Amino acid sequence: GAVVSQHPSWVICKSGTSVKIECRSLDFQATTMFWYRQFPKQSLMLMATSNEGSKATYEQGVEKDKFLINHASLTLSTLTVTSAHPEDSSFYICSARDVGSGSHRNEQFFGPGTRLTVL
Amino acid sequence: DQQVKQNSPSLSVQEGRISILNCDYTNSMFDYFLWYKKYPAEGPTFLISISSIKDKNEDGRFTVFLNKSAKHLSLHIVPSQPGDSAVYFCAASADGGTSYGKLTFGQGTILTVHP
Repeated sequence: GAVVSQHPSWVICKSGTSVKIECRSLDFQATTMFWYRQFPKQSLMLMATSNEGSKATYEQGVEKDKFLINHASLTLSTLTVTSAHPEDSSFYICSARDVGSGSHRNEQFFGPGTRLTVL
Repeated sequence: DQQVKQNSPSLSVQEGRISILNCDYTNSMFDYFLWYKKYPAEGPTFLISISSIKDKNEDGRFTVFLNKSAKHLSLHIVPSQPGDSAVYFCAASADGGTSYGKLTFGQGTILTVHP
């Protein structure tokens, strides 16, 4: 099946620093990747849609200058949390659509997530 | 505005019995529905999906039923196994436009299957 990896799996950083999270589709090409965040005991909230070779589309309320997304290749998207603060602490999950498999366009395969803790 | 709702935060079932997880939605533009299973500190794993043109889709022990008029879907797991214990998320998407491919998730239901 389609595999999506994330790196790092967890990170602790000081307030004010920037953190980069990578999302890779390992065995398929993903023209579109999505970034979600999940707070404890809550649902996954879509932050932005990342399209290869173009600017990301951000959901309402998500600061694009704070959460920088780059989708430079068909297998890699990165999310950079700039000037992180304690309220940015969360579980960040990416997903990718395997457009080549013949599966429905809306089936997304998720990475294992990255736990960010900002001190 | 919660467009996809899973009103039962938890469900406990005996091994071998049927597990029924429910999901309601409000957006009539949703045309595709998915169920995901998630373990703590891991990403969701795709289970099964259904298009709005169908009312049932079956895959092994998992069956999803869709009632469009009621804007309701359910996931049936038969027979339930202890390894099914996880959080189950219902998700929905709408066709075309800016929402193409975007998923809206419910809050999740914690399923516990007792041996």
